Amino acid sequence: KQEVTQIPAALSVPEGENLVLNCSFTDSAIYNLQWFRQDPGKGLTSLLLIQSSQREQTSGRLNASLDKSSGRSTLYIAASQPGDSATYLCAVMTDNYGQNFVFGPGTRLSVLP
Amino acid sequence: IAGITQAPTSQILAAGRRMTLRCTQDMRHNAMYWYRQDLGLGLRLIHYSNTAGTTGKGEVPDGYSVSRANTDDFPLTLASAVPSQTSVYFCASSEVAEYEQYFGPGTRLTVT
Repeated sequence: KQEVTQIPAALSVPEGENLVLNCSFTDSAIYNLQWFRQDPGKGLTSLLLIQSSQREQTSGRLNASLDKSSGRSTLYIAASQPGDSATYLCAVMTDNYGQNFVFGPGTRLSVLP
Repeated sequence: IAGITQAPTSQILAAGRRMTLRCTQDMRHNAMYWYRQDLGLGLRLIHYSNTAGTTGKGEVPDGYSVSRANTDDFPLTLASAVPSQTSVYFCASSEVAEYEQYFGPGTRLTVT
């Protein structure tokens, strides 16, 4: 059974720092990996999707990498801002019929002004 | 563009009652999903539908049913609610199953 973990569980950084969030999965046979952010009391907002054939994706200050063989993905946030404060979740799809989309527990990020 | 709408926003329900959570998307996505989010357990897939007319079971389907009569709507029904179904429920959709998922704002359900 696929398991997804995220380290650290919580992170607090001063504004302007570059930071890395980690996601690990136990079964490397994935179709894609997606990073989301969730603000308190809100739904999930998609940040980046990496297909299994890709190594990384970039969107603005965000860069996500994927190493299938080692079962790891990282989300790099450059020049963090207080508005980046949220919980960040990664999720892996382990089949292409949608019934096995497994989420990690999330990393709660606080960016202090 | 509204994306995904869910109704109600929140609900308090007596145990044993029947309840339908509504989900509508306007993106003409083929695939739709229902998740529940619980503290300490994260997000778990309840049911999914890869295209109108088809549905499938996720990780935690017991006590829930879904239907997909058309592309836009994917209601989730609790036939006889129990307190363990207290949770936040999210509906999501994607163009096809392996593409990016988009989430609705959620329904907070409390079963007493």
